[in-house]
Amino acid sequence: GAGVSQSPSNKVTEKGKDVELRCDPISGHTALYWYRQSLGQGLEFLIYFQGNSAPDKSGLPSDRFSAERTGGSVSTLTIQRTQQEDSAVYLCASSFEPTGGWEVTSTDTQYFGPGTRLTVL
Amino acid sequence: ELKVEQNPLFLSMQEGKNYTIYCNYSTTSDRLYWYRQDPGKSLESLFVLLSNGAVKQEGRLMASLDTKARLSTLHITAAVHDLSATYFCAVAPRSSRLTFGEGTQLTVNP
Repeated sequence: GAGVSQSPSNKVTEKGKDVELRCDPISGHTALYWYRQSLGQGLEFLIYFQGNSAPDKSGLPSDRFSAERTGGSVSTLTIQRTQQEDSAVYLCASSFEPTGGWEVTSTDTQYFGPGTRLTVL
Repeated sequence: ELKVEQNPLFLSMQEGKNYTIYCNYSTTSDRLYWYRQDPGKSLESLFVLLSNGAVKQEGRLMASLDTKARLSTLHITAAVHDLSATYFCAVAPRSSRLTFGEGTQLTVNP
């Protein structure tokens, strides 16, 4: 079946502009995550959505970053007034998390999309 | 704060040789994941280890978990060039964000 998809694959923008990055999770996956990968910082968590619960925004680096998830599916990560240090690859992941009791052997492996490479000039 | 450390960070090895990548983490966690990343590509899930003593094998790769030592290993047997990639371990409590190690860049030379 289809995996996680992200768009655009590459985005070049000027400092101070706003950008929107999109993520389509695997159908049926209830959890959606955003991470970013940069040379200096490695892989960093940004935000996590699970069902109708309030998102975990604890990884967002500043108030210029925001994300929403509409209808429990597609998510958009928005960066306002971009800075050069925002340049990175932004990765989206999704996983299936059962709403009932957990089996000891159940897994919630996160499957990653191809990423959006953001370059801020 | 959960910290995850991998070593070595860079590994150059010859085809046919064996080697082990180590992943240490600082606090108790439910799950340990191994991912592979090829240059310019995204992360591919390799293994998820759920309990102490868990061992998973796929081809020339074998992963194990010792929760008491807070240590996971990824063992490479008889390396081949196709295994060249960056390998990440990641730790997460159940249904939560992943905390990644720095990654081990593996190069397998003919």
